[in-house]
Amino acid sequence: ETVLTQSPATLSLSPGERATLSCRASESLRDSLVWYQQKPGQAPRLLIYDASNRATGIPARFSGSGSGTDFTLTISSLEPEDFAVYYCQQRPNWPPGTFGQGTKVEIK
Amino acid sequence: QVQLVQSGAEVKKPGSSVKVSCTTSPVTFTSHAILWVRQAPGRGLEWMGGTIPMFHTTTYAQNFQDRVTITADESTTTVYMELTNLRSDDSGTYFCSSHVYGSRKSEDWGQGTRITVAS
Repeated sequence: ETVLTQSPATLSLSPGERATLSCRASESLRDSLVWYQQKPGQAPRLLIYDASNRATGIPARFSGSGSGTDFTLTISSLEPEDFAVYYCQQRPNWPPGTFGQGTKVEIK
Repeated sequence: QVQLVQSGAEVKKPGSSVKVSCTTSPVTFTSHAILWVRQAPGRGLEWMGGTIPMFHTTTYAQNFQDRVTITADESTTTVYMELTNLRSDDSGTYFCSSHVYGSRKSEDWGQGTRITVAS
């Protein structure tokens, strides 16, 4: 089973700063990776699919990159509503797979 | 956009079973995949399994395959997730989600169902 390792566990930043989140896979996923944002008490929200494509309705400040085993989610300039927990998940066409353990982006 | 409505919170005894429903629209059964994800309190997301009703295909995550069954009822456009032999660490919120099979550009989520396992 492929393991996804996210880093850092917590990222303390101020609004307006750039956030860079990492997701590393134990084996190659090619580009079969998605990123989610989750706020307390809410369902996850899809941000990025196929490693680098923004999902419907996602602002341009969110971008994804990488392929194979190393992936990055970048938030170019943090807005107050971006402080949340972010998860990566392996998502080939079928079946879906494991999630990373999450990165919390908190206000510094 | 597809609306997903899940059944309400439940409290269960250890060793019992729980069946959570996710009611959707007819289009889901002709073009979508439905997934189930669990989140223990204060913890991360776990993929449990999923089904593609139009292909009569169901797949389970390794950690759950001995205890979970996902079924789809086309007559009521409802997908069910049953988890058996419940333990206290099965407590958490269970979510269903839906996306067009073969496309990952958007997806919809249910509101979540809280399950508490306690004696």
